[in-house]
Amino acid sequence: SAVISQKPSRDICQRGTSLTIQCQVDSQVTMMFWYRQQPGQSLTLIATANQGSEATYESGFVIDKFPISRPNLTFSTLTVSNMSPEDSSIYLCSVGSGNGAYNEQFFGPGTRLTVL
Amino acid sequence: DQQVKQNSPSLSVQEGRISILNCDYTNSMFDYFLWYKKYPAEGPTFLISISSIKDKNEDGRFTVFLNKSAKHLSLHIVPSQPGDSAVYFCAASAEGTYKYIFGTGTRLKVLA
Repeated sequence: SAVISQKPSRDICQRGTSLTIQCQVDSQVTMMFWYRQQPGQSLTLIATANQGSEATYESGFVIDKFPISRPNLTFSTLTVSNMSPEDSSIYLCSVGSGNGAYNEQFFGPGTRLTVL
Repeated sequence: DQQVKQNSPSLSVQEGRISILNCDYTNSMFDYFLWYKKYPAEGPTFLISISSIKDKNEDGRFTVFLNKSAKHLSLHIVPSQPGDSAVYFCAASAEGTYKYIFGTGTRLKVLA
């Protein structure tokens, strides 16, 4: 399985500011995803990060709030913009294990964000 | 609308006994299911999966059972070990999509 790292591992931010989270994979992968896990909730897919094109966002998530970059097959960033306390969550990137229809996804360690 | 449900938020089991974690789903289009384990301050780790063409998949101490008619799956851990103490998430997807829907998780505590 791929080795996935995320930076920062945690941060405490002020309301109204923005934070960019980085995800680095040790091998080239086709599929990269960004998830959010709010306190006591399940993991929710924010978007699929597409290399060379705009990310595909899930219902309830928009590019202005969560801009995503995917400059190559090993790296992606997620920005949480104009933060509010409701954005306090763990943000996780994941990668698909292959190109088939059924793929396990492997997750990074997560970024724990607290917004004051 | 929670399409994947784990109705037991927590479970305690004695070391050496069987742990049974349950998961229910509502979407009949789901045909691939996974279990993940998550330790504090770490990302979820893939554990085991099953496709809808099977009703059982086994990997060492871990077995997943799928009952399609009941839209129910379960994860059995035998024998349970203290290192199994973690939060377990089930996830489901439909063929042709890469989107997984996760349950809210069950916190398993294995008592020594």
